[in-house]
Amino acid sequence: QKEVEQNSGPLSVPEGAIASLNCTYSDRGSQSFFWYRQYSGKSPELIMFIYSNGDKEDGRFTAQLNKASQYVSLLIRDSQPSDSATYLCAGNAGNNRKLIWGLGTSLAVNP
Amino acid sequence: SAVISQKPSRDICQRGTSLTIQCQVDSQVTMMFWYRQQPGQSLTLIATANQGSEATYESGFVIDKFPISRPNLTFSTLTVSNMSPEDSSIYLCSVGPEGYGYTFGSGTRLTVV
Repeated sequence: QKEVEQNSGPLSVPEGAIASLNCTYSDRGSQSFFWYRQYSGKSPELIMFIYSNGDKEDGRFTAQLNKASQYVSLLIRDSQPSDSATYLCAGNAGNNRKLIWGLGTSLAVNP
Repeated sequence: SAVISQKPSRDICQRGTSLTIQCQVDSQVTMMFWYRQQPGQSLTLIATANQGSEATYESGFVIDKFPISRPNLTFSTLTVSNMSPEDSSIYLCSVGPEGYGYTFGSGTRLTVV
């Protein structure tokens, strides 16, 4: 059973702090990983994807992938109240293009 | 990224009836996916819609309950058949990967009474 696991939270950080979201996966064949943000009542929107070991930065967001340890993380720098949402981690295994989803981590950024 | 128009955005239906949800994409895409999301829960994949062939269903989902059509590379429908209150959920279509991930429609909020 291929799984992606996330801490459901809620994770609470003060405004301006770094929020760290983590995800582990069981399938070593997984090649690409995606972080989505979902506001209540809205559909998921892609923040970042990563497929190479190491860090990938985009503005305030940094995704980190460690294939040896089978974990993916998302760092949000200078967190803003507008970052308060549920963050979903998903992995894509090889040629099978469907995604395996984590349960999501709820993030609350407090002003 | 692709833009998906999903309809209806919400509906309230009587038990025993059926609802068809449509997704129109502004470009040709190979893969389309249908998800269900219960309140406060993550995404559950219902099926992968393949153009020119039958959809591929995930464990726990069957074609008689969730028939899917994919007549071309820009359009797909999901029907929720013989509905019961347990079918109340948000249904989402998605396309990808497109080099930059998967894109979602705006969702259909279904309430069965």
